Amino acid sequence: GQQLNQSPQSMFIQEGEDVSMNCTSSSIFNTWLWYKQDPGEGPVLLIALYKAGELTSNGRLTAQFGITRKDSFLNISASIPSDVGIYFCAGRGIQGAQKLVFGQGTRLTINP
Amino acid sequence: GAVVSQHPSWVICKSGTSVKIECRSLDFQATTMFWYRQFPKQSLMLMATSNEGSKATYEQGVEKDKFLINHASLTLSTLTVTSAHPEDSSFYICSAREGSLNTQYFGPGTRLTVL
Repeated sequence: GQQLNQSPQSMFIQEGEDVSMNCTSSSIFNTWLWYKQDPGEGPVLLIALYKAGELTSNGRLTAQFGITRKDSFLNISASIPSDVGIYFCAGRGIQGAQKLVFGQGTRLTINP
Repeated sequence: GAVVSQHPSWVICKSGTSVKIECRSLDFQATTMFWYRQFPKQSLMLMATSNEGSKATYEQGVEKDKFLINHASLTLSTLTVTSAHPEDSSFYICSAREGSLNTQYFGPGTRLTVL
């Protein structure tokens, strides 16, 4: 099925470093959602974006809805060990569309 | 945020038996619920979408007679894997969409192992 292009696929960083990941799409989205998934658990919603240009923060996390409505990024500042996990972007397209389209995920590993 | 529960969290069954997984939205009414399947190190694969009181819409390649979905109320959806086989072993995750917002919350997942 249709997927978003999420990058990078994996990241290996030192504790304390900042992290940036992004998702791009060939089509326009009306909603962007960012999730984190820990092993053996379901995805947990981190940030929801509903308007083009919107910039939203949740603690050390910041995400933006691209002005073109075809991309979004997630930044994590001052990473800590519990940030380890897989981050997924997800988008919903035309008005009224029910299905979310998911990115392939970014696996974050942190060296203490 | 809103809470979605799933039960059981894991199940082991013999080949040929049926397994039912429940998904509940605990503090909101879910107009739409979704069922996903996830293989190791992969993204989530949508299996079906269900709206309360109507038949589920299955994704291409998903057998509706094998994966029975019932969305009887605004807070409960069930997925029944009928005549399970080892290849059905996977991590099944439900999700619920809150009607007033364009936001979707996920359950904790159910690990199914078919022997």
